[in-house]
Amino acid sequence: QKEVEQDPGPLSVPEGAIVSLNCTYSNSAFQYFMWYRQYSRKGPELLMYTYSSGNKEDGRFTAQVDKSSKYISLFIRDSQPSDSATYLCAMKAGNTGKLIFGQGTTLQVKP
Amino acid sequence: DGGITQSPKYLFRKEGQNVTLSCEQNLNHDAMYWYRQDPGQGLRLIYYSQIVNDFQKGDIAEGYSVSREKKESFPLTVTSAQKNPTAFYLCASSPWTGPSTDTQYFGPGTRLTVL
Repeated sequence: QKEVEQDPGPLSVPEGAIVSLNCTYSNSAFQYFMWYRQYSRKGPELLMYTYSSGNKEDGRFTAQVDKSSKYISLFIRDSQPSDSATYLCAMKAGNTGKLIFGQGTTLQVKP
Repeated sequence: DGGITQSPKYLFRKEGQNVTLSCEQNLNHDAMYWYRQDPGQGLRLIYYSQIVNDFQKGDIAEGYSVSREKKESFPLTVTSAQKNPTAFYLCASSPWTGPSTDTQYFGPGTRLTVL
């Protein structure tokens, strides 16, 4: 079993929809949680960074962490065609610099 | 502009050749990382370095080598011992002032193809 599980999709939604992207994990030591967005043939860019449990909002993006369920989510409101990309979750424990990545979910937002 | 640069963008290698991928950052970050990405897979850590003249193996270091002679540079050599080197290679850096601030920033990547 992988430490971090992420449904690869693809996920296709109409423009304006609310998108929910999710990851589950098995290591209870993970404390730092990140979401990266990766456009085709480009490097990942950091979208959201969250410590421990709770919500964090940035514009149309909301990151949620539920440590009791070992489950993290990224919500995208009013999705746009420019949001079409692969979304990678990543996480790490507090005592190491090693990030563990999910395999990424490919999102397509249709006009 | 501050950032991470990788070169070349595309690289072709013949069987049995060693090739070196360049990674440079001007963010004054202490830590640098090399990842490999294969289609439909997440990023896998090859090597990382938290300080000049020191580096650690990641999860898939076999067939790769690195050096860290300068803070801003972390080149990766893909040796002939790497049996399946065709992949997208990503370099990252982070300020590493502690685990809570260790967010990693990525370069644009190098796509390596073995002919």
